Amino acid sequence: EPEVTQTPSHQVTQMGQEVILRCVPISNHLYFYWYRQILGQKVEFLVSFYNNEISEKSEIFDDQFSVERPDGSNFTLKIRSTKLEDSAMYFCASRQGMGTDTQYFGPGTRLTVL
Amino acid sequence: AQTVTQSQPEMSVQEAETVTLSCTYDTSESDYYLFWYKQPPSRQMILVIRQEAYKQQNATENRFSVNFQKAAKSFSLKISDSQLGDAAMYFCAYTIKNTDKLIFGTGTRLQVFP
Repeated sequence: EPEVTQTPSHQVTQMGQEVILRCVPISNHLYFYWYRQILGQKVEFLVSFYNNEISEKSEIFDDQFSVERPDGSNFTLKIRSTKLEDSAMYFCASRQGMGTDTQYFGPGTRLTVL
Repeated sequence: AQTVTQSQPEMSVQEAETVTLSCTYDTSESDYYLFWYKQPPSRQMILVIRQEAYKQQNATENRFSVNFQKAAKSFSLKISDSQLGDAAMYFCAYTIKNTDKLIFGTGTRLQVFP
């Protein structure tokens, strides 16, 4: 069964450094998402992406964040200058398209900012 | 406000018994989709079951079923014949049709005892 994959599984970085989290959505899916989950808290929506542009973003997704689909398979989340409070689990998800509503999640990347 | 409330932070059940996890939500929309996701210790988000709001019939997936009460905005999950592998964090979520983001609750941690 096709799956969403994410790399790395765990990323440790110093405050102020840039990180790029990578995702490979399910191959025939058209809609892509990033969510984050701070330890012990609920999952929060960050951004959605369709047709090579952001379709919706939350107030969390400020200028420090960006997303990109650099080729036909990868979907990346970049944090330009990480803060301590960016430490969280980041989940990528994808959805097939019109008429389908289910988002399928990847296994997550645990980001630790020191 | 778009919110999801899971009033039970923790639940426990004996193996082979039945347990019900509660969820209420708040939306003024009439067309939306509801989901239960499971998050085991590996922290991957796994879809358990989904329900379209326009359908009156409650969704079932093997041992998992929902009790969807649209007027009450309630969407509880029933797990029958509980197994040790059901132990996880369970998140209730919804998305409004033609929007992109999932709104999650704070989760219920389910323990299963042998």
